[in-house]
Amino acid sequence: DAKTTQPPSMDCAEGRAANLPCNHSTISGNEYVYWYRQIHSQGPQYIIHGLKNNETNEMASLIITEDRKSSTLILPHATLRDTAVYYCIVTSNFGNEKLTFGTGTRLTIIP
Amino acid sequence: GAVVSQHPSWVICKSGTSVKIECRSLDFQATTMFWYRQFPKQSLMLMATSNEGSKATYEQGVEKDKFLINHASLTLSTLTVTSAHPEDSSFYICSARTGSRSYEQYFGPGTRLTVT
Repeated sequence: DAKTTQPPSMDCAEGRAANLPCNHSTISGNEYVYWYRQIHSQGPQYIIHGLKNNETNEMASLIITEDRKSSTLILPHATLRDTAVYYCIVTSNFGNEKLTFGTGTRLTIIP
Repeated sequence: GAVVSQHPSWVICKSGTSVKIECRSLDFQATTMFWYRQFPKQSLMLMATSNEGSKATYEQGVEKDKFLINHASLTLSTLTVTSAHPEDSSFYICSARTGSRSYEQYFGPGTRLTVT
């Protein structure tokens, strides 16, 4: 699976949009970009995934660059409950693929 | 839907004893279950992958005789930490996948193991 690079930490004001970047320059054609988050002392929670088109769901939006070498997770109106470690993972969606977690970005929402 | 539970949520045991952790998919059948370990301030590290009815596949560096995994049914997998030592103290997280796609993977709440 392709390696991902994320900033170790970010702060965002409550109510503002949180934009979390991820670099995955070695991504291959059949690999998807996944985002999970982990709130302190809990199991990871799936947020969103995409291949090449931008995606949006009730939790977030995922913007993938045209060359697919980077992406941005957007939480449109951050709340204090969005404080967590956010993981960007690249993996294939076929067969018995495994989710390999990197170090992630610790997002702190500031009141 | 797609709820995964773990039991116990936390456990304290003495060095040398064995501890069993259960992982259940409550409202779906899991073709594959995964076990992760997470040390404080670190990321999740995959320990093993198990499919119902077959032997688990362990990641490099994980001792299969120490971390026994049983996936006896499509809704239950167990991880037994044998002869536990203080360095085994960690947060153990399981996940269950309904199909072959990664987005169909759901995580349990984790089990905090402390070995004294």
